[in-house]
Amino acid sequence: DSGVTQTPKHLITATGQRVTLRCSPRSGDLSVYWYQQSLDQGLQFLIQYYNGEERAKGNILERFSAQQFPDLHSELNLSSLELGDSALYFCASSVGSGNTDTQYFGPGTRLTVL
Amino acid sequence: GQNIDQPTEMTATEGAIVQINCTYQTSGFNGLFWYQQHAGEAPTFLSYNVLDGLEEKGRFSSFLSRSKGYSYLLLKELQMKDSASYLCAPLGVGGYNKLIFGAGTRLAVHP
Repeated sequence: DSGVTQTPKHLITATGQRVTLRCSPRSGDLSVYWYQQSLDQGLQFLIQYYNGEERAKGNILERFSAQQFPDLHSELNLSSLELGDSALYFCASSVGSGNTDTQYFGPGTRLTVL
Repeated sequence: GQNIDQPTEMTATEGAIVQINCTYQTSGFNGLFWYQQHAGEAPTFLSYNVLDGLEEKGRFSSFLSRSKGYSYLLLKELQMKDSASYLCAPLGVGGYNKLIFGAGTRLAVHP
């Protein structure tokens, strides 16, 4: 158990809908990262927040957005969902903002878009 | 990531030793991570190398050569539970603060 929690574990929804994925980092960690992993694909970095502010951005679609709240939990919002958005979404956290910090991953949310 | 190369699949026998290679190209370099990921589960941290050489941690060791853009993960005394994907993630490939993962090497351990 990494100490990172994610909810929900599974999510099934329809095309065009909007969903929110939630992540709570390990106690003491200030950075939260979001990744997408499609079937047979590698982990794709989406976005990083550090202490409430956006720190780095990957190939995140405009339909996707994220934020980190004062209590450091983070939410990833996915809108106008398409079939291709079906994937495992992982959240990770680290102590600081630097990329040399070890990232600890949550169990993931499996999103299925029908 | 297109600048990270790992073999797609490997097979090995229980009790044996296997070496998983990773080559990368990066502008700037701050070290390299190895993660293990069982199917459908979260990646778990294995090692971090920032200096050249071999770092040993139990049955797992990781080697880095910065000048060659090369790393390997060595797994000894293989167990069935080592069947998983192994992800190489050099820092610097995607720029500051972006940990870019290779596609991973799927290792199957057979009895």
